[in-house]
Amino acid sequence: EAQVTQNPRYLITVTGKKLTVTCSQNMNHEYMSWYRQDPGLGLRQIYYSMNVEVTDKGDVPEGYKVSRKEKRNFPLILESPSPNQTSLYFCASSLSVTGNQPQHFGDGTRLSIL
Amino acid sequence: GEDVEQSLFLSVREGDSSVINCTYTDSSSTYLYWYKQEPGAGLQLLTYIFSNMDMKQDQRLTVLLNKKDKHLSLRIADTQTGDSAIYFCAESSGTYKYIFGTGTRLKVLA
Repeated sequence: EAQVTQNPRYLITVTGKKLTVTCSQNMNHEYMSWYRQDPGLGLRQIYYSMNVEVTDKGDVPEGYKVSRKEKRNFPLILESPSPNQTSLYFCASSLSVTGNQPQHFGDGTRLSIL
Repeated sequence: GEDVEQSLFLSVREGDSSVINCTYTDSSSTYLYWYKQEPGAGLQLLTYIFSNMDMKQDQRLTVLLNKKDKHLSLRIADTQTGDSAIYFCAESSGTYKYIFGTGTRLKVLA
């Protein structure tokens, strides 16, 4: 089944403790992206990747890192999480960025930073 | 910077039509999308429209684009309780960045 898989689905952790949210897609998609969803703000793009080893900042990249060493994986790294990073995070992928290639979304990761 | 705006809530009766509106600021938008988010799930693409189109119909869904006013709407005919969800408008200009709206929560009353 074609899917985008995020892990973990839920995480409660403390300020400053490094964490990684994994994202994997099995559709051989070139484009992958991370978003955070906050009430009243919709989805905001954190980072995106056009292909292996090619990443760029979205609208809210501060406090996050990503890497794209393999086509299927695009982990999101919080080196020193802070409470303002408490949010619902989504990974997405698409075959390419052109409009008739829809983004496929994972089911989300709910992070709580205490 | 670019912005996409939507009203936060909409409530309709089952069987009526729903119209969800969206305005955007980026005049170079190439594609405009509507996504649906059900509780506890990610976003699913409902439909999209290319900027040189005025209208697109897909079963119960009709998308209207007024490029002059930068206004996009999604009409759902014969709205059902299963249509209750959050609907997101999004745009891209082919620069690998997507801008999403705040989402409109549609509640369908039986």
